[in-house]
Amino acid sequence: QQQVKQSPQSLIVQKGGISIINCAYENTAFDYFPWYQQFPGKGPALLIAIRPDVSEKKEGRFTISFNKSAKQFSLHIMDSQPGDSATYFCAASKNQGAQKLVFGQGTRLTINP
Amino acid sequence: GAGVSQTPSNKVTEKGKYVELRCDPISGHTALYWYRQSLGQGPEFLIYFQGTGAADDSGLPNDRFFAVRPEGSVSTLKIQRTERGDSAVYLCASGIANTEAFFGQGTRLTVV
Repeated sequence: QQQVKQSPQSLIVQKGGISIINCAYENTAFDYFPWYQQFPGKGPALLIAIRPDVSEKKEGRFTISFNKSAKQFSLHIMDSQPGDSATYFCAASKNQGAQKLVFGQGTRLTINP
Repeated sequence: GAGVSQTPSNKVTEKGKYVELRCDPISGHTALYWYRQSLGQGPEFLIYFQGTGAADDSGLPNDRFFAVRPEGSVSTLKIQRTERGDSAVYLCASGIANTEAFFGQGTRLTVV
């Protein structure tokens, strides 16, 4: 049972463009939604996270949009740069904390110069 | 060090052997997590420690897998009678209480 579904599997964006990655979840008890960035050979690094009391959170070029009724959330990367090329994972968990994160399948993002 | 440290970075073992994977969390972090990441997949939860005790071990796949954190800091993931299907990257993460999870670089385990 895949509790968090992520799309697309891969994404190619031109430098300066907007990268958008989407996730949908099934468990309405989830209340913590982080995004992680992973480079080859490295562990996932926390980018930004949101809790369901807000519909949007922005940190620099990264924005999470959250739609509680649709059980969906997305990551937007503005002014995408070649250094953003990595695999991105959405995740979800209960109890407003990071224990027992359920991860999506990942999106391999490539930013063309 | 400033981040989560995992050793070894790579481990090759023969089928049926016993392995131990070590995790040094960020100093002061009370929560520690183990995840397993297969190639091309997202990490999968294995076990979560709050202090010395395992708060949730529901992700351990079977009784060949065991983890300890005797003094509430360093943790060791132990795998008995390894199988080829255990090959993966084993990730450790730590956090303050359960607010966030900061991952180490992982240990790549290969069972031949």
